[in-house]
Amino acid sequence: AQSVSQHNHHVILSEAASLELGCNYSYGGTVNLFWYVQYPGQHLQLLLKYFSGDPLVKGIKGFEAEFIKSKFSFNLRKPSVQWSDTAEYFCAVNARLSTGKLIFGQGTTLQVKP
Amino acid sequence: EAGVTQFPSHSVIEKGQTVTLRCDPISGHDNLYWYRRVMGKEIKFLLHFVKESKQDESGMPNNRFLAERTGGTYSTLKVQPAELEDSGVYFCASKPTIQGFETQYFGPGTRLLVL
Repeated sequence: AQSVSQHNHHVILSEAASLELGCNYSYGGTVNLFWYVQYPGQHLQLLLKYFSGDPLVKGIKGFEAEFIKSKFSFNLRKPSVQWSDTAEYFCAVNARLSTGKLIFGQGTTLQVKP
Repeated sequence: EAGVTQFPSHSVIEKGQTVTLRCDPISGHDNLYWYRRVMGKEIKFLLHFVKESKQDESGMPNNRFLAERTGGTYSTLKVQPAELEDSGVYFCASKPTIQGFETQYFGPGTRLLVL
C-alpha cells in the first residue's frame, strides 16, 4: 500500500532562514508527487508538483522540490523564508496510472518568527 | 472563476444525529473527491466521483457514510448516525479529468464535531 511520511511535524524558523521539509513515499510503481500548502484560514492550494522530466521542480512563492527516485524522496526547499510562509505543508502522492486519489503525509506546520 | 465551495463551514451535532455535507465543484470538473482529516492525523481519501458515478469508494469508513452526486454537479456526503470518531475536517476537491498528475482544487473544508 502507498504511504507518505513527512519527517517534521512542527518546524519553527526565523525569517530569512533556509527551509527543507522532508517527504518520503512508499510505492513500487511510478508516481506523481505534490506539495500542497494551507495558509491560516485558507484552502489547501498547490505549491508544486512533479510527474515527469526535470526532477527539480519550481513552484509558487520561491519554493522548489527535488524528486530523488532512488531515495523515494520529494523534499521541499526554500532558501529564505518569510513570515508569510507560516502555514501547514502537505506532501502527497498518487500512482501514475491511478484515478488521481491522493495519499497525504501527516503535514508539517511551519511557524516563521518575524 | 469560482472555486470549490463547501457547506456548512462548521457543524456541531450530537452522537446519533444525521449530518449532510455539501460540495460544489468548479464548473466543468467531472472529477470530484472527498477527503477527511481526523485531528492529528493525515488527510485521507474517502471517495471519487466521475460525473455522477462512483469511481472509487475504497476509503469510505463504513455504511454510515453515504455520498451522492446526482446530475454530476454538486455532491453530498451524509453521515447517519454520526459517531464521535466521525469528527474531523471533511474536504472536497475537484479537477477536470481523471489524469493522475492533474491538480486537484480543494474547498475550504467542513469542520464536523460530534459530541
